[in-house]
This record gives sequence, structure tokens and C-alpha cells, in this order.
Amino acid sequence: NAGVMQNPRHLVRRRGQEARLRCSPMKGHSHVYWYRQLPEEGLKFMVYLQKENIIDESGMPKERFSAEFPKEGPSILRIQQVVRGDSAAYFCASSPRQTGNYGYTFGSGTRLTVV
Amino acid sequence: DAKTTQPPSMDCAEGRAANLPCNHSTISGNEYVYWYRQIHSQGPQYIIHGLKNNETNEMASLIITEDRKSSTLILPHATLRDTAVYYCIGGDTGRRALTFGSGTRLQVQP
Repeated sequence: NAGVMQNPRHLVRRRGQEARLRCSPMKGHSHVYWYRQLPEEGLKFMVYLQKENIIDESGMPKERFSAEFPKEGPSILRIQQVVRGDSAAYFCASSPRQTGNYGYTFGSGTRLTVV
Repeated sequence: DAKTTQPPSMDCAEGRAANLPCNHSTISGNEYVYWYRQIHSQGPQYIIHGLKNNETNEMASLIITEDRKSSTLILPHATLRDTAVYYCIGGDTGRRALTFGSGTRLQVQP
């Protein structure tokens, strides 16, 4: 029973390029959450999605960042025109349903380095 | 999410119980108490959660006070591999995403 799969594990991009981070939730999980962790800092919520819907994007930067969770396939976090400050670990989590009585399962993260 | 307060760091001797406190005096009646940990730079790991009653699983025990204003996570026999940052979160995953604070950095000493 595979857990939350994130790929790539490591991603290097030059300033101005696009970064695409993928997250496949656990089987049967329809809720996906993205978090960012800057070096030596805590986890910051970015966006919460269900299939084909963005539920809460209050933590997403207003520009250059977007997320989707299509009917088929993984959730994608897209960062356009990356800058050095985007270098961070990006974690995805999933949960099975909209209820409080479940914890999240996190993936191993994607480490983005902007050079 | 409810505001939570945790000590920034704690030490524990290997083999002894680690008791990690958390204050969540503003927690509402339908919000759960969740505990996660993050070992070094790995993905956070779910430990346990509870609403009113004490809970136990293979990893830990969660003791919630009767007024629900505080809780304690207990690792019964801490090992070196339990060295991590432990996060206590008060919230309801059914309503919105969980917010992680600064957590407690637990150092298990040999």
C-alpha cells in the first residue's frame, strides 16, 4: 500500500525557469495539501485541494504559484519564473475525507534548489 | 486552528519516558488535538490525535485534560531515533488545513 508519492525528490532550476512538483496521494485519498518549508524554518501551509477543486489557497503567494488536482493523475504545484527565495522543501499530504477524525499522511518532499 | 504553545526544546534520556506538553486553551469543542513529528528534514509523520478521551497507539499515548486546555504526548521508552521536532496542533482537518507552529525539539540523549 504505497504512501504519498512525491517526485522528483530533488529539483534544480535556474532563475526564471519553471518548476513542476508532483504529488500522488495515497490510494483512496481525495484531499491534498501542500506545505513549504524554508531552510531552518517551520512548515507553512500553501494550498488545500480536492479533486478538480481548490478549497483553500490562502497560503499561496499571489504571483507565480499555482496548484491543481485533476480528476485523473497527480496533484501539481507549479512555480513559474523561479527565484532564489523559492528554494525550499515542498511537502504534500493527503487525507481520505473531509472529517476531523483523520490525520494527514505526508510524502517525503521535493527539495527545490534555484541556482 | 487553535493556538498552541509548546516548549521550544526538551531533553530526554534514552529508555526513559518522554513527556511533551502542549497548551491549547482556545481549542473549540469540535477541534481535535493532533501530534506530528519531523525527523531531521524528512516529511512530517503523524503520531496520534484525540478529541476528548486519552488515546494510545503503537507509537505513543495522548493524555488530554478534562477541560481540553492542554495535553501531553508520552513516548513510553524514548530511543535515539525519536530525536525530532514534535508538533502539537489543534484543529479540524474537515474544515481547513492544519497549521504547524514551531514545535518542541526533543533531543534523546544516550
